[in-house]
Amino acid sequence: GDSVTQMQGQVTLSEDDFLFINCTYSTTWYPTLFWYVQYPGEGPQLLLKVTTANNKGISRGFEATYDKGTTSFHLQKASVQESDSAVYYCVLGDTNAYKVIFGKGTHLHVLP
Amino acid sequence: EAAVTQSPRNKVAVTGGKVTLSCNQTNNHNNMYWYRQDTGHGLRLIHYSYGAGSTEKGDIPDGYKASRPSQENFSLILELATPSQTSVYFCASGDSGGQDTQYFGPGTRLLVL
Repeated sequence: GDSVTQMQGQVTLSEDDFLFINCTYSTTWYPTLFWYVQYPGEGPQLLLKVTTANNKGISRGFEATYDKGTTSFHLQKASVQESDSAVYYCVLGDTNAYKVIFGKGTHLHVLP
Repeated sequence: EAAVTQSPRNKVAVTGGKVTLSCNQTNNHNNMYWYRQDTGHGLRLIHYSYGAGSTEKGDIPDGYKASRPSQENFSLILELATPSQTSVYFCASGDSGGQDTQYFGPGTRLLVL
């Protein structure tokens, strides 16, 4: 069945460090891929969305590129800030289905 | 601005009791969803709905029921609450299926004693 994998449960960085969060997916359909971010005490919210049509998404300094060959959808940011501390979810959406599948999330902690 | 609200925000229940979690959306979205969030599992889909009067089972529906009496409202019902249902519950709405953004409420923290 469809699945999405985030291996990094927790990442700790210092301000201005480079962020890279790894995500891989498995599906037999044409996926739409999302990154959601969840700040403490809030529900998840969309960070960026990428489809097979555009391959790349950029939002709030974050960038994600969809690679069909390696079935990967990594999230990166050149220079993180303390305010980026949050949980980041890689999410697989099926164009033929009602639902999306969430990865287990990566908790990013940025030290001042 | 899209808006999804949930009530209550916090709830303490006793084992065997009935719990109803409520969700309201003003986005006029057709689809609504209930998830639970647990450490190590991310978000898991419990029930969802395509529109008023419809409810469908998600990935972990056992022990839960859902009700969608109107476009705006979607409830999650625990008829006989158990300690394993202690969790944070999120409601979301979306315009259509897997291709579209989901808008989440702030969550309900449920503790079953």
